[in-house]
Amino acid sequence: KAGVTQTPRYLIKTRGQQVTLSCSPISGHRSVSWYQQTPGQGLQFLFEYFSETQRNKGNFPGRFSGRQFSNSRSEMNVSTLELGDSALYLCASSLARSGTTTKNIQYFGAGTRLSVL
Amino acid sequence: SQQGEEDPQALSIQEGENATMNCSYKTSINNLQWYRQNSGRGLVHLILIRSNEREKHSGRLRVTLDTSKKSSSLLITASRAADTASYFCATQETSGSRLTFGEGTQLTVNP
Repeated sequence: KAGVTQTPRYLIKTRGQQVTLSCSPISGHRSVSWYQQTPGQGLQFLFEYFSETQRNKGNFPGRFSGRQFSNSRSEMNVSTLELGDSALYLCASSLARSGTTTKNIQYFGAGTRLSVL
Repeated sequence: SQQGEEDPQALSIQEGENATMNCSYKTSINNLQWYRQNSGRGLVHLILIRSNEREKHSGRLRVTLDTSKKSSSLLITASRAADTASYFCATQETSGSRLTFGEGTQLTVNP
């Protein structure tokens, strides 16, 4: 079974531009979450989608948005890029979004490294 | 925001030695998980321990959880150079699959 696929792997943008990152979850997984990783703030939750609906959102400005398609693939968009948006963006998928079973284990992609100049 | 702290921030040991990493968290949890990350790449799930469990084993990994102290530890026995990576604890709330990560421990295993 293929793992979580994120594209592109690397991106270089300039301040003020916008960017779209893509994530294809593991087949059958309906929950997709996005995380931002920076040296200063560590790993921070951005948002989670389940069945095309945003179920949970982290503490990020409205410039960060996302969506999920009917095939569970997800995209996240960052508008009006700032230097501080430079980070590794990680996508994770899981079978379920709640409950007490191991269906909550999240499987991560390799990430998209975004550099904002 | 980070759930809590991990210590040590960095740990350097020789192959064959055991490595212990600690994690503290702040809120009530459904479960706690440990992940490994190699050189800024994606995270790999290692082990999950539920809030009603106190200890769990998986291969060379042993995890303990003390909910009264809101802390967990990860023990890697007989370490190998390939274990060199960053290790993160992450808590999961009852209500969903959102993970809240600790700051991570950078483990270096010298051959």
